Amino acid sequence: DAGITQSPRHKVTETGTPVTLRCHQTENHRYMYWYRQDPGHGLRLIHYSYGVKDTDKGEVSDGYSVSRSKTEDFLLTLESATSSQTSVYFCAISRTRELYEQYFGPGTRLTVT
Amino acid sequence: AQKVTQAQTEISVVEKEDVTLDCVYETRDTTYYLFWYKQPPSGELVFLIRRNSFDEQNEISGRYSWNFQKSTSSFNFTITASQVVDSAVYVCALSVYNNNDMRFGAGTRLTVKP
Repeated sequence: DAGITQSPRHKVTETGTPVTLRCHQTENHRYMYWYRQDPGHGLRLIHYSYGVKDTDKGEVSDGYSVSRSKTEDFLLTLESATSSQTSVYFCAISRTRELYEQYFGPGTRLTVT
Repeated sequence: AQKVTQAQTEISVVEKEDVTLDCVYETRDTTYYLFWYKQPPSGELVFLIRRNSFDEQNEISGRYSWNFQKSTSSFNFTITASQVVDSAVYVCALSVYNNNDMRFGAGTRLTVKP
């Protein structure tokens, strides 16, 4: 199994509060991704990183920010959580840009009340 | 833009039945990759298979087989002699060469009853 951990695994928070999710990898892969998974939509890309301090937006980036200060850590921040951000969040890593080999973390279930 | 459609939202079968999960994709790129993932009730995504667009050979792995047909833009997944442990959500995905954007289908929930 690829060495990817996510923390926390479950979180309940109130609308308007900031939330930070952490993804940690031990594979030294260059590319890291944050996805959200919602019923009927499949996984959708929020943000991704192609190196330390190098990040870019994905399909559903509004309301989210990311940071990557070390190769192994990729943080996803909800500056002011809303109920529409209730979802399961997955981190993924890839050694190459081509995404022909992508591995996923265990997921974080976030509930915004 | 890329798109993946899994038209079957839920499928229920009885153990030992064969079942096929459909995946239809859209892309204008000629070099791309197709994937299947299994998502058991625990929630993690387990990689099952990857095919590239230049390899249309069918793949068999034990009770699992995959049928890739470029003519119909389909990458279907068949489980032979299904078992209760096969119960999960199965997700089809597409990525194109030199692009970070992987597109996922909405998933098909397979329930195998004893």
